[in-house]
Amino acid sequence: DIQMTQSPSSLSASVGDRVTITCRASQSISTHLNWYQQKSGKAPQLLIFDASTLQRGVPSRFSGGGSGTDFTLTISSLQPEDFATYYCHQSYNTPDTFGQGTRLEIK
Amino acid sequence: QVQLVQSGAEVKKPGASVRISCKASGYTFIAYYIHWVRQAPGQGPEWMGWINPNSGATHFAQKFQGRVTMTRDTSINTVYMELNNLRSDDTAVYYCARVKVPAHIYYFDYWGQGTLVTVSS
Repeated sequence: DIQMTQSPSSLSASVGDRVTITCRASQSISTHLNWYQQKSGKAPQLLIFDASTLQRGVPSRFSGGGSGTDFTLTISSLQPEDFATYYCHQSYNTPDTFGQGTRLEIK
Repeated sequence: QVQLVQSGAEVKKPGASVRISCKASGYTFIAYYIHWVRQAPGQGPEWMGWINPNSGATHFAQKFQGRVTMTRDTSINTVYMELNNLRSDDTAVYYCARVKVPAHIYYFDYWGQGTLVTVSS
């Protein structure tokens, strides 16, 4: 199975900050990497697919990058509604696997 | 609008089975695979498998093979996931999510609201 490792596991930041979350795959997955945001008690919501394509309706302050084994999710200017947990997901090989999550908290 | 609506929370004893439904609306049912993903308390999501609502074909994560069944009823746009021989570590929120096919790169663009399954003696 492909292991997905996110860092950091938690992050404290302030409104207006720029933050970057990283996700590393244990083998190359091309750009078969998706990012989801999950708020407490809710289902994950798709933010970015194919490593860098913004899902319709997602604010442009979210961006993704990378290919192969190393990927990033960047939020350019944090808004209060962005405090949540973020997961990466690889759909390159079965079984699909997810990162362990990055919890973004208000400083 | 696209919706995936799941059945309600379940409490089961070890060794029992659970069946969860996922009713789709707002799109062409057979144009999207339905995947099942579960999330144990405080953990990341875990992929379980998928069903092709058109053909009924299924594919499961090796971890669940022999214990999971996925079926569909195209007359009511609903898929079902049944997990047998439940253990305490099956306690989790179970989600259905759709994937457009065919697709070179796929992702879960809509999710059900989740169904909490609690396994306890």
